[in-house]
Amino acid sequence: GQQLNQSPQSMFIQEGEDVSMNCTSSSIFNTWLWYKQDPGEGPVLLIALYKAGELTSNGRLTAQFGITRKDSFLNISASIPSDVGIYFCAGAYDKVIFGPGTSLSVIP
Amino acid sequence: ETGVTQTPRHLVMGMTNKKSLKCEQHLGHNAMYWYKQSAKKPLELMFVYSLEERVENNSVPSRFSPECPNSSHLFLHLHTLQPEDSALYLCASSPSRETDTQYFGPGTRLTVL
Repeated sequence: GQQLNQSPQSMFIQEGEDVSMNCTSSSIFNTWLWYKQDPGEGPVLLIALYKAGELTSNGRLTAQFGITRKDSFLNISASIPSDVGIYFCAGAYDKVIFGPGTSLSVIP
Repeated sequence: ETGVTQTPRHLVMGMTNKKSLKCEQHLGHNAMYWYKQSAKKPLELMFVYSLEERVENNSVPSRFSPECPNSSHLFLHLHTLQPEDSALYLCASSPSRETDTQYFGPGTRLTVL
């Protein structure tokens, strides 16, 4: 069945550094979504992408819909301590499936 | 007002108890979802409701029983659960079943003793 892989699984970075993470699949999707989940809370939608090649920003966050429709990337610039959390990608075709998440830790 | 709310936020129950989780959305959406989130596993879709009708049931054991009395409220009734059912249960809603962007509640952290 459809499956999403997220890389890296976890990352530890210094405050102020830029962050890159990706989401890949062997299946194609029509929509890519990026969520962030804080400890003890539900995922919050960060960015939605609807077209192959689309590049969308939300503050310090930038996400791209891969040209092959099989992947997506999320970048965070100038990380701050509140960026800590788990970042999930989700791909949608006839249904939405979620990746396993990338855990981000920011060292002040 | 918060978009999607869930109560209780934490629940501890024994294997013989009966309890219910409640979800309410204030977004005017027509589709609602229950997910199970276990440690180190992707979100598992359990049930989908569209316009108060169950449209998807992903092989969930019968000890979980959903109820959607109207498009704003969703319940998950729990009965004779197992310790491996301990997890974070998340409710989500979307404008329609065909709309991909789902908005999540804060979840109920369930512990089964």
